Amino acid sequence: SQQGEEDPQALSIQEGENATMNCSYKTSINNLQWYRQNSGRGLVHLILIRSNEREKHSGRLRVTLDTSKKSSSLLITASRAADTASYFCATGVGGTSGSRLTFGEGTQLTVNP
Amino acid sequence: SQTIHQWPATLVQPVGSPLSLECTVEGTSNPNLYWYRQAAGRGLQLLFYSVGIGQISSEVPQNLSASRPQDRQFILSSKKLLLSDSGFYLCAWGHYRGPGTEAFFGQGTRLTVV
Repeated sequence: SQQGEEDPQALSIQEGENATMNCSYKTSINNLQWYRQNSGRGLVHLILIRSNEREKHSGRLRVTLDTSKKSSSLLITASRAADTASYFCATGVGGTSGSRLTFGEGTQLTVNP
Repeated sequence: SQTIHQWPATLVQPVGSPLSLECTVEGTSNPNLYWYRQAAGRGLQLLFYSVGIGQISSEVPQNLSASRPQDRQFILSSKKLLLSDSGFYLCAWGHYRGPGTEAFFGQGTRLTVV
């Protein structure tokens, strides 16, 4: 079963606007990660936030984590047409070498030029 | 640097035929290896993961099996494909220790069972 659920399922914005995607999960986690997938390709890791962190930045990306609400958000600032892709949150469970990621259903982001 | 290779990129197979998808990782040792399946427009479903040679964990009951004959080789197989096995299959590796690290994905295999 899916651990994470992204919201919205689809988002369409104009270039230069900010895009915010949300993720909710159900069980305790070690970390939460965001990935990007261009159509028909593999996933690319964007950013990881650990369960004891509340906010993290990487370039135009800003991720927040609220473990009390079991939710996370990904903000992409000053979006570009090249940001058009599907974005997935994934939760990491377990602390040993057997831990694994569970993915949500994703948000399809379209940035219009 | 580490790389992950997955092939073939696309595959069309008739119902009832066997399947073998291969994934290899270079530039690292003792990785955790994963097979995911993605239905069109959906998220990723974890099928199998392996923490070492010959060690396979199955996440969901299905028509597929996985093997890890070498440290950096992960194979997804089926003896007889079903229509429902169609999908986008992704191999990934990672070193999950402590709070965890990211996963690195191959480019995927699009399987169509006809």
